[in-house]
Amino acid sequence: QEQLVESGGGVVQPGGSLRLSCAASGIAFSRSAFDWVRQAPGKGLEWVGFVSENGLVTWYADSVKGRFSISRDNTKNTVDLQMSSVRAEDTAVYYCARGTNYAFDIWGQGTTVIVSS
Amino acid sequence: QSALTQPPSASGSPGQSVTISCTGTSSDIGAYNYVSWYQHHPGKAPKLMIFEVMKRPSGVPDRFSGSKSGNTASLTVSGLQAEDEADYYCSSFVVNKNWVFGGGTKLTVL
Repeated sequence: QEQLVESGGGVVQPGGSLRLSCAASGIAFSRSAFDWVRQAPGKGLEWVGFVSENGLVTWYADSVKGRFSISRDNTKNTVDLQMSSVRAEDTAVYYCARGTNYAFDIWGQGTTVIVSS
Repeated sequence: QSALTQPPSASGSPGQSVTISCTGTSSDIGAYNYVSWYQHHPGKAPKLMIFEVMKRPSGVPDRFSGSKSGNTASLTVSGLQAEDEADYYCSSFVVNKNWVFGGGTKLTVL
């Protein structure tokens, strides 16, 4: 069964850092690109960033560029989102999703990040 | 990048059809046939319903269909069923190598 499971969410102070992880199973991991998408409370979905199959190409939304970075470990089947200099507006449920055919075909259940002092 | 524009709500009775619109610009929906639609039941993982404007992934009922005209894409749900009640989001690839989502439409089955 194809599955993505996010972890690492929690409460972080403004200006702090947090690392989210996404573990994949049942997926041809090294042949898949992945994205992070978030949903702030009461808001719609917002694309955060992308990492290519080999990890060499990353793209980011303007709202997180320079603060967030995405990496992957093809030996452990994991994709990480390193969040730095977090702001209140980064409070959201963060989803990991597989990108294919210019769409997101497999999603995790999400992990919640709350930025608060 | 601004979000795509969706109506906040839509509704229909069981068995009826409902269409949800998604309006973008010439930099996203108008530029690419890379529009996708997602069904999201709160607290659960979003589910891909339509990709590349009108293609259905395996397992998605043919009651769900997609289309596009100019800068506007649409999702039509025919033969509404109670389990179709959810939030629906459109998404498009954007010219600067980003993706953009719509604000979401809450579909209510009356």
